[in-house]
Amino acid sequence: AQSVTQPDIHITVSEGASLELRCNYSYGATPYLFWYVQSPGQGLQLLLKYFSGDTLVQGIKGFEAEFKRSQSSFNLRKPSVHWSDAAEYFCAVGAYSGGGADGLTFGKGTHLIIQP
Amino acid sequence: DTGVSQNPRHKITKRGQNVTFRCDPISEHNRLYWYRQTLGQGPEFLTYFQNEAQLEKSRLLSDRFSAERPKGSFSTLEIQRTEQGDSAMYLCASRFGKGTEAFFGQGTRLTVV
Repeated sequence: AQSVTQPDIHITVSEGASLELRCNYSYGATPYLFWYVQSPGQGLQLLLKYFSGDTLVQGIKGFEAEFKRSQSSFNLRKPSVHWSDAAEYFCAVGAYSGGGADGLTFGKGTHLIIQP
Repeated sequence: DTGVSQNPRHKITKRGQNVTFRCDPISEHNRLYWYRQTLGQGPEFLTYFQNEAQLEKSRLLSDRFSAERPKGSFSTLEIQRTEQGDSAMYLCASRFGKGTEAFFGQGTRLTVV
């Protein structure tokens, strides 16, 4: 069965500093990988996705993530965070084939706190 | 707004009552998903439709839960005889098909008192 681990429950970063959120996945085939962001009481917004090809993917709001198959990781990075980046971040893995087993498996999330 | 729409946004109900939530996906999306998210956790997959066919159900979907998508457009999720453990955010998502990402609605927050 597929699984996602986000080892950091909370991360505190100063505004303007760089950010890296960790994500490790377990999946038997080629995965689809995603990072979503959730503000309090809101739904999920897609930041970026990896399906195939270039292992460094660019997303919205200045985020990027790198797929490393050998490490089963898909870490999210941003060179300089803004106070508006404070939110909950979720890594997710999905089936490549898009067949019957089609839902996403999410990690438990990392809560990002931005210090002024 | 052409995003995924969920109604109501909030629902407070007494234990034992039935509740129904609605999800309107993005119009051309044929795949629709329901997830449940409890406090401090990531969303957990409940069920999935391709057009009107319910193709997969999680073990989390007890027999008190039922979902429909009668014409392959909007979907409803009904919870019968609600329990306090059903209190959660219920998220709906849709996507067009293989190789595309899912778009999520704002969710329905259910509180069972």
